[in-house]
Amino acid sequence: DTEVTQTPKHLVMGMTNKKSLKCEQHMGHRAMYWYKQKAKKPPELMFVYSYEKLSINESVPSRFSPECPNSSLLNLHLHALQPEDSALYLCASTLTESSGNTIYFGEGSWLTVV
Amino acid sequence: GIQVEQSPPDLILQEGANSTLRCNFSDSVNNLQWFHQNPWGQLINLFYIPSGTKQNGRLSATTVATERYSLLYISSSQTTDSGVYFCAVVNYGGSQGNLIFGKGTKLSVKP
Repeated sequence: DTEVTQTPKHLVMGMTNKKSLKCEQHMGHRAMYWYKQKAKKPPELMFVYSYEKLSINESVPSRFSPECPNSSLLNLHLHALQPEDSALYLCASTLTESSGNTIYFGEGSWLTVV
Repeated sequence: GIQVEQSPPDLILQEGANSTLRCNFSDSVNNLQWFHQNPWGQLINLFYIPSGTKQNGRLSATTVATERYSLLYISSSQTTDSGVYFCAVVNYGGSQGNLIFGKGTKLSVKP
């Protein structure tokens, strides 16, 4: 099983809404990531969690709030977003942050902020 | 930081044709992966190949780490191969999840 599952696949939210994106993996991976991808651009790293602790925050605005409740789950809480935050949000995982292993991506969550 | 350049940016093929995609990187890496992003956005891992050669069906990849480039070969292309192909690397000593992506090669395979 090399699957990273993301929900929802599509989300439309207003600028005053609070919503969450969810990511789940059952591969025993201890490093999980959020990436953001704008149209016609490559993905860019947002956050890294290693052993359920935030390891890297790539200067992401506080309206994005990550959470790692356990080793299998990763959430991204969204609040007071702007229309320019509309993008594809990708979750990924790998065995550990420090080893050279394959990184697996989920199918992504398409977010539209209106 | 490390730079990743992919070529060509766009490629149009007739079904059945072969192609080679190239990825150049500017520094030593301990992770290099090739991905195919389908029209629905999913990034599908094709190869984990920081060095050496691998083959999987009609696809193969070669990375020459000492010369800082990687090649992805697609043989007998099919319409389902269409999409964007990304090369992504991790700087030697960097966090494994901090993939630095190239800008991608957009492949269109015509029937």
